[in-house]
Amino acid sequence: DQQVKQNSPSLSVQEGRISILNCDYTNSMFDYFLWYKKYPAEGPTFLISISSIKDKNEDGRFTVFLNKSAKHLSLHIVPSQPGDSAVYFCAASALGNNRLAFGKGNQVVVIP
Amino acid sequence: DTAVSQTPKYLVTQMGNDKSIKCEQNLGHDTMYWYKQDSKKFLKIMFSYNNKELIINETVPNRFSPKSPDKAHLNLHINSLELGDSAVYFCASSQRGGPETQYFGPGTRLLVL
Repeated sequence: DQQVKQNSPSLSVQEGRISILNCDYTNSMFDYFLWYKKYPAEGPTFLISISSIKDKNEDGRFTVFLNKSAKHLSLHIVPSQPGDSAVYFCAASALGNNRLAFGKGNQVVVIP
Repeated sequence: DTAVSQTPKYLVTQMGNDKSIKCEQNLGHDTMYWYKQDSKKFLKIMFSYNNKELIINETVPNRFSPKSPDKAHLNLHINSLELGDSAVYFCASSQRGGPETQYFGPGTRLLVL
């Protein structure tokens, strides 16, 4: 039972344009959300997170938006760069629970 | 300096063998994890240890036995390997006491023939 869902498994975007990745969750107890980036043959690398008390968190080119009522979050990358080509995982956890639930990932390809 | 390291990176073995994967973190974290990424690319938690104590044990065959000699190490021993055990195994660590950001190792690619 996938509690974190990432549809649209792949995305191609031109360098300099915006990449938008979407993530939906079903567990209303989730209150902390993370995005991880993964290159081939490497482990996932933490990118950005957001707590449920916020609806937006920004770090450089990366912004995560959270819509709690819709149980939806998104990751915006702007401007996209070729080095952003990777698989992006959405993850979520509930307060006091260190169990992370992951989505199946979105492949992003940034075309130079 | 590698924060979370795993050995070996690749492991090819025959069905029925017993193998171990080692994990070490130098971040000073209290909690360590093992995840399995299967052929469908889902990352699923298997085990979690906090200060050498088992705190998460998902529905994993008892052929899999984690061992934590100290809080910086969490090893995974697998008995009687089966074809379905072929996957990428990731170790991770985090600091408890707040929202959990987990830091992952590079993965061990296990292929059972």
